[in-house]
Amino acid sequence: EVQLVESGGGLVQPGGSLRLSCAASGFTLSSYWMHWVRQGPGKGLVWVSRINSDGSTTTYADSVKGRFTISRDNAKNTLYLQMSSLRPEDTAVYYCTRSSTGTWDQWGQGTLVTVSS
Amino acid sequence: DIVMTQSPDSLAVSLGERATINCKSSQTVLYSSNNKNYLTWYQQKPGQPPKLLIYWASTRESGVPDRFSGSGSGTDFTLTISSLQAEDVAVYYCQQHYTTPLTFGQGTKVEIK
Repeated sequence: EVQLVESGGGLVQPGGSLRLSCAASGFTLSSYWMHWVRQGPGKGLVWVSRINSDGSTTTYADSVKGRFTISRDNAKNTLYLQMSSLRPEDTAVYYCTRSSTGTWDQWGQGTLVTVSS
Repeated sequence: DIVMTQSPDSLAVSLGERATINCKSSQTVLYSSNNKNYLTWYQQKPGQPPKLLIYWASTRESGVPDRFSGSGSGTDFTLTISSLQAEDVAVYYCQQHYTTPLTFGQGTKVEIK
């Protein structure tokens, strides 16, 4: 069974850092581009970042550029999102998603990040 | 950035009736080299992650009931639920993956009348 499981969310103070992980199972992570998408409380979906299959190319939304870093360890079948200089507006559920033929066919259940003092 | 605008923001439809959601992009999402529209529809139920329904504007994902259909090209797209079922109550999002930043519509909430 294909599965994506996020972890690492929690409560962090403004200006703090957090690293999210997304463990993939049931498929070979190295064959897919991967993305992070977030959803603020009661809000819509917002794309955050993407990484190509071998990790050599990354892209970010302007709102997180310079603060977030996406990476992957294909040997460990794991995707990461290192978040720093966190702001209250970064509060959201963060989803990892698998890209197939350009669409996101698999999603994790999400991990909640709350930025608050 | 490509702005995706859905209409309406919400709609209430009787069971068994048709629900229609529109999505308009601020610029084309039709890639001329392969004639594919880089437009996807997702369904999100409360407390759940989004679920892929339709990709390439009109291709139904495996396992998605055939009452869901997508149409349109270029900048104007439609998601149709031909006969609304109780389990279709959800928020529906369109999304373009033509270019970064990848962007979503604001969502359309579908309820039972």
